[in-house]
Amino acid sequence: TQLLEQSPQFLSIQEGENLTVYCNSSSVFSSLQWYRQEPGEGPVLLVTVVTGGEVKKLKRLTFQFGDARKDSSLHITAAQPGDTGLYLCAGEAGAGSYQLTFGKGTKLSVIP
Amino acid sequence: DTGVSQDPRHKITKRGQNVTFRCDPISEHNRLYWYRQTLGQGPEFLTYFQNEAQLEKSRLLSDRFSAERPKGSFSTLEIQRTEQGDSAMYLCASSQAGGPKNIQYFGAGTRLSVL
Repeated sequence: TQLLEQSPQFLSIQEGENLTVYCNSSSVFSSLQWYRQEPGEGPVLLVTVVTGGEVKKLKRLTFQFGDARKDSSLHITAAQPGDTGLYLCAGEAGAGSYQLTFGKGTKLSVIP
Repeated sequence: DTGVSQDPRHKITKRGQNVTFRCDPISEHNRLYWYRQTLGQGPEFLTYFQNEAQLEKSRLLSDRFSAERPKGSFSTLEIQRTEQGDSAMYLCASSQAGGPKNIQYFGAGTRLSVL
């Protein structure tokens, strides 16, 4: 069974601060996706990474996939209140299995 | 492209009743997935279809749960004899087979409360 551990589980920061969220596993994933979820809504895709060592930037968000494709990180620069939400990482095992394994999520609160 | 649509958004039922949820995927997507999310947890995989064929089922999908996708378009998830432990958000996602990335797009979910 593949597991994804996300840390921290909760994060409360002031507007303008930087933060990093981690997603770790002992298993290799063919791809890893980051989603953001608002209360009462479904997850919304932010990015997909597929290559070990890959770095993707989405405005103030930087995503990295570990060289061994077992871990990933999300870094937010100069956080804003609009960044508040639940951030979920999800890995796809590949090899004919298309289900996503999700972490428990990181609940981020950015205080104005 | 209207995205993944789920109906109803909320369902309240009494223990022992049957409930059915519907999911309409993005029109050109041939893969459809069901997940369940309980409070404080990430979504957990239940089952997946490619066209009308159900190809993967989780051990979470007890015999009280059944999912169908009869024409390879919309899907239904039925829960028979609901229990309080079935209370959760049921999420549907769809993706297009082929290509290097199997990107799954999620609907807004159906929140089930079993009293």
